This record gives sequence, structure tokens and C-alpha cells, in this order.
Amino acid sequence: ETGVTQTPRHLVMGMTNKKSLKCEQHLGHNAMYWYKQSAKKPLELMFVYSLEERVENNSVPSRFSPECPNSSHLFLHLHTLQPEDSALYLCASSQGPDLAYEQYFGPGTRLTVT
Amino acid sequence: AQSVTQPDIHITVSEGASLELRCNYSYGATPYLFWYVQSPGQGLQLLLKYFSGDTLVQGIKGFEAEFKRSQSSFNLRKPSVHWSDAAEYFCAVGGPSGGSNYKLTFGKGTLLTVNP
Repeated sequence: ETGVTQTPRHLVMGMTNKKSLKCEQHLGHNAMYWYKQSAKKPLELMFVYSLEERVENNSVPSRFSPECPNSSHLFLHLHTLQPEDSALYLCASSQGPDLAYEQYFGPGTRLTVT
Repeated sequence: AQSVTQPDIHITVSEGASLELRCNYSYGATPYLFWYVQSPGQGLQLLLKYFSGDTLVQGIKGFEAEFKRSQSSFNLRKPSVHWSDAAEYFCAVGGPSGGSNYKLTFGKGTLLTVNP
């Protein structure tokens, strides 16, 4: 595997379910990001991790819970979601949490909340 | 607050024609500016970026963009479009002000259709 991978690619869940999104980067980067891409809205930064420490929580509701166990893996734990949370969730990584370093994006997980 | 406006939601061009995608930004200091492309089912790929210096920047796949401070614009251009350029294009702004040098603000995107 190369670059940034995300699993699953598609997920359908009910509002009472608990699920997790997984992201893995094979680039040796130290920073990882979660973005939300909703229809008709700009891409929104959700969380930023640097060396496994969270450095940004962009006013995201607590029903989204990130976890970064090491610099290669990033999870987004989901529980009691709302239909408006349906979106494409993109993971990205970069050498460090600085715009001087290019962010490399995974293909995303398409989430549908029913 | 920083913001990005991409006035064109959808553009259609013929293969071989020239292309210009518009981007206007609002930012309180000297901005860092980016163009990304997203093909169906894919993540975003960086086309080019501007931090400082020469206001005309070259990117991958034959794209270029020009930073015009007086117009707060960073338009993307390509002299001859290929069918494989059909995708969605996002302009983004960020920078060192506001305490975080990693936050990108994206526009809503422009969908490019290429006719044969």
C-alpha cells in the first residue's frame, strides 16, 4: 500500500449505531487530519494531530471522537450521528502541521446516516 | 476571518480549448494559496501553491495560476484542456496568521466538464 488509505470506502449506519473510520498513511508523516466534505459546502477541517497529539478540534460535536494511536494511524469514532452528518470524510497527512508541507489526501469514506 | 469564493459552480469546455477557473479570497495578511483537484472517487491532489515571490506559479499537469494581490485573486489556467482534466477543482487559502499555520479554508469548488 502506498500513500494514504481509508477504510471502509462506504458506510451506511443508523443514528443509534457506533462505527469507526480508519486512516493509514505509508509516507512517514508526523501530522494527520480529518476533513468533512458535504454536498454544496466547502471542505471543513475537523481535527489535526501532530506526533499523536491533537492540536486542533475545530468545534466538532462530541459524537465525533478522533484517536491517533501512532503517527501512521488515525481513527474517527462515530456514535449517535445525525442525518446531516452524511458526507465524505477525508483523511490527510503531511510531514508536519504546517502549510509549507503538502497535505496528501486519502480517497475518503462516504458515510450515509439513515 | 479568511474565506474563498469560487464564483463558477460548473464550467464546460471543449477538449483543446483554454481554461480559466476563478478564485477570490479574503485574508488578513499575506496569504498562502493553493489549488487542488479531485477526480471522482478520489481524494484531493495538490496542483500548485503560492507562498511568496513570482506571482505566476507553475504546477503539475500543465496548470498555472497567477496571484493578483490588488484583486485578491488566484485564478487557475491551462492553455489546452485534455479530457482527463474533467474533475472538481478547489481553491484554498491559509497562512501563518491567527496562530495556526496548518488551517486551510476551501472554496466550494468548480466542476469542470470537458466535451470531446
